[in-house]
Order: sequence, then C-alpha cells, then structure tokens
Amino acid sequence: DAGVIQSPRHEVTEMGQEVTLRCKPISGHDYLFWYRQTMMRGLELLIYFNNNVPIDDSGMPEDRFSAKMPNASFSTLKIQPSEPRDSAVYFCASSSSRGRHTDTQYFGPGTRLTVL
Amino acid sequence: KQEVTQIPAALSVPEGENLVLNCSFTDSAIYNLQWFRQDPGKGLTSLLLIQSSQREQTSGRLNASLDKSSGRSTLYIAASQPGDSATYLCAVPTGGGNKLTFGTGTQLKVEL
Repeated sequence: DAGVIQSPRHEVTEMGQEVTLRCKPISGHDYLFWYRQTMMRGLELLIYFNNNVPIDDSGMPEDRFSAKMPNASFSTLKIQPSEPRDSAVYFCASSSSRGRHTDTQYFGPGTRLTVL
Repeated sequence: KQEVTQIPAALSVPEGENLVLNCSFTDSAIYNLQWFRQDPGKGLTSLLLIQSSQREQTSGRLNASLDKSSGRSTLYIAASQPGDSATYLCAVPTGGGNKLTFGTGTQLKVEL
C-alpha cells in the first residue's frame, strides 16, 4: 500500500483565499483524522471521521474550517477565507478499528500551508 | 483534560550511548500509549504501541514501558545511532478512545 497520500505537499496563498487540502487514506481503514501542527501549539486534532461520518469536530478552530469525506477513499479540509494564523502543517492520518477503539494511526507526509 | 508532557524537550548524545525519553500524562484512565517518531519535514511514524495490560513493548533497539498508576512511560533507545536523530512524541487516547492527545515531543540529536 502507498500509505496515506496528501496533496498538495506545499501551498502558498494570500489572505482571504480559499484553500483545499486533500487526503487519501489507506485502503480498508475506517477512521480518518485531520491534525494541525504548529511550533506554538504542537500537534492538535481538528476532526475525525468513522466510516465517512464526522464523529468529533470539536478541534476545528472556527467556522472558516470545514471537512468532508464523500467516500471511503477521499477527504478534504477546506479553509475559507484563509488567514495568516492558519499557516501550519496539516496532517491526515488513518487507522482501522480495534474492537471499540482504533489501532495505531498512520500519518501522511503533511501539507505545509503558508498564508501571506 | 488530559495533558501529556515530555522531558527533556531536546537531547544531544554521542553515538553509541543508551538513552531514555520520558512521557507523563495526567489522566491514567488510558487503554494504550503510543510512541511516534517525526523526521524534519515529514509525517509521524508509529514506533511502538503499548496496551494498558502490558508493561513493556520492544522493537529492535527500542523498548517502551508503561506505568499507568504513576502516569508515566519511557522510551529506551539502546546503542543510539545518528539515524535515530528525530523528534519523538508520545500520545494517549482521550475522549472516548479514538482521539489522540500528543506530548510536546523530545528532539533527539545523535552525534558522530
């Protein structure tokens, strides 16, 4: 398997523009997670899905952020409008169920977002 | 609210040295703990996962221990190599089990 795939790897945009980040989880995994990593706040969970359904979006910072998972092999994280403070590395991860809980999470390479 | 702390924040050692990284968590009601490695500009790679019923887990030169009652875990790296240089993060599940709370990380540098 190719692992978790994210695109783009780097994104530079201007304040106010819409940004869409994409993720393809590992085939067969039923959980998908979106994280954000910054120097100040470390690694934070934004939202996660189970079987394409959003389960917990309490980490989504503002209404400017939205995430979708239209099918088991694709998810997007959208920021509209983007602001400089959104600059960070955004990671997608996937895992499979392990009884009531999930097994280890496999991370993608991340998207480095810079908002000017 | 679960808080995860890692000490030290940074560590520099000569090649060949054995070392210990520490992770502490405030809520001991966890069912597992994971250690990850992150190389610069890359994503996280899972190293070890210890179930709450286990006290230790080993993979090659890595050994992770878990003491739930004291809220601590350690990652032991034997005979360190320059290729071990990376940031090491521990993580525990929270909020029902499927969310991970990550520690602040330890940045390790192994010098020749």
